[in-house]
Amino acid sequence: DSGVTQTPKHLITATGQRVTLRCSPRSGDLSVYWYQQSLDQGLQFLIQYYNGEERAKGNILERFSAQQFPDLHSELNLSSLELGDSALYFCASSVGGGNQPQHFGDGTRLSIL
Amino acid sequence: QQQVKQSPQSLIVQKGGISIINCAYENTAFDYFPWYQQFPGKGPALLIAIRPDVSEKKEGRFTISFNKSAKQFSLHIMDSQPGDSATYFCAAREEYGNKLVFGAGTILRVKS
Repeated sequence: DSGVTQTPKHLITATGQRVTLRCSPRSGDLSVYWYQQSLDQGLQFLIQYYNGEERAKGNILERFSAQQFPDLHSELNLSSLELGDSALYFCASSVGGGNQPQHFGDGTRLSIL
Repeated sequence: QQQVKQSPQSLIVQKGGISIINCAYENTAFDYFPWYQQFPGKGPALLIAIRPDVSEKKEGRFTISFNKSAKQFSLHIMDSQPGDSATYFCAAREEYGNKLVFGAGTILRVKS
């Protein structure tokens, strides 16, 4: 158990809808990272927050947004969903903002029908 | 654009054998190279990591070999066990960077 908690485990929705994925980092970790895992793209970095502030951005679509709250949990919001957004979304956390190991949660599987 | 190339895509090894997975990179700014193990239905779990100032790091049955001049690194699993059957990902991160760049993954099956 990595100590990173993601909810829900599974999410099924339709095209055009909006969903929110939630992540609670390990106790004491200030950084949260979001990754997308799909069969064709593999594991791709989306965005990182450190202590409430956006720190780094990767291949995140404009339809996607994230935030980190004062209690350090994070939410990833996906809107105007398309079939191609079906994937596993992972959250990882680390103690600091840069050179520390990242520990992953078990992910949220998003299925768009 | 695949910044970290991983091979093979899949690997079958007999119990007790050595599993070897290779990765290559181009970006010389990478300075941290972790390996992750992922079981079905689970997230990637950090296995072992290395920085380019050392050529080898060993933790139990797992060893990373690193060749800075060739920009290659590999994972060796000694005495492979059926419980090692999983998908393995190499990754890389830039100095003072944040995001991990992952290889495509290797599906390892250890036959008993």
